[in-house]
Amino acid sequence: GQNIDQPTEMTATEGAIVQINCTYQTSGFNGLFWYQQHAGEAPTFLSYNVLDGLEEKGRFSSFLSRSKGYSYLLLKELQMKDSASYLCAVMDSNYQLIWGAGTKLIIKP
Amino acid sequence: IAGITQAPTSQILAAGRRMTLRCTQDMRHNAMYWYRQDLGLGLRLIHYSNTAGTTGKGEVPDGYSVSRANTDDFPLTLASAVPSQTSVYFCASSLHEKVTDTQYFGPGTRLTVL
Repeated sequence: GQNIDQPTEMTATEGAIVQINCTYQTSGFNGLFWYQQHAGEAPTFLSYNVLDGLEEKGRFSSFLSRSKGYSYLLLKELQMKDSASYLCAVMDSNYQLIWGAGTKLIIKP
Repeated sequence: IAGITQAPTSQILAAGRRMTLRCTQDMRHNAMYWYRQDLGLGLRLIHYSNTAGTTGKGEVPDGYSVSRANTDDFPLTLASAVPSQTSVYFCASSLHEKVTDTQYFGPGTRLTVL
């Protein structure tokens, strides 16, 4: 079966760095997405990786290792507004997104 | 409007009733999707449409139907609602179908079936 695993919840301090991991087993791979979802709101696109390596976009970076079935999202200089759920999703061989359950990130002052 | 709109925002429904959730996008995206989101689970695909006039089944299609009469609208119908269909429903769209493309989400409909 297809499976996306990520931690349920993480806590970090304002101004610090946090890494959210995602491991996946899917039938085919056509890219990995990270979305941010604030409570009661829609998911919004953060990043996309299809090749191995690090993609940097401001305070957010995403890393992919296809051979290990592994990705992480790195958030730097954490702000209170970063408190949200972070969703990892893999596009499979049918070009359908398979979603993880999300990681709830709690930022403390 | 800009983006994707969904209606209603929330709804409480008696079991056995019929309900249509509306979704409209103005981005001229070819592909549209319906997901449900339940606590502790990832988003699950209910139905999708790659282009106007075509639809397909996702991971959890039972109890739901869709239509795609034009590019902009993609309604989701629950023919006879059951309590297990209590969920938050998100409509999404992407410019291209059958390629890797970013999906953009509507604000969601929170549905409670009693």
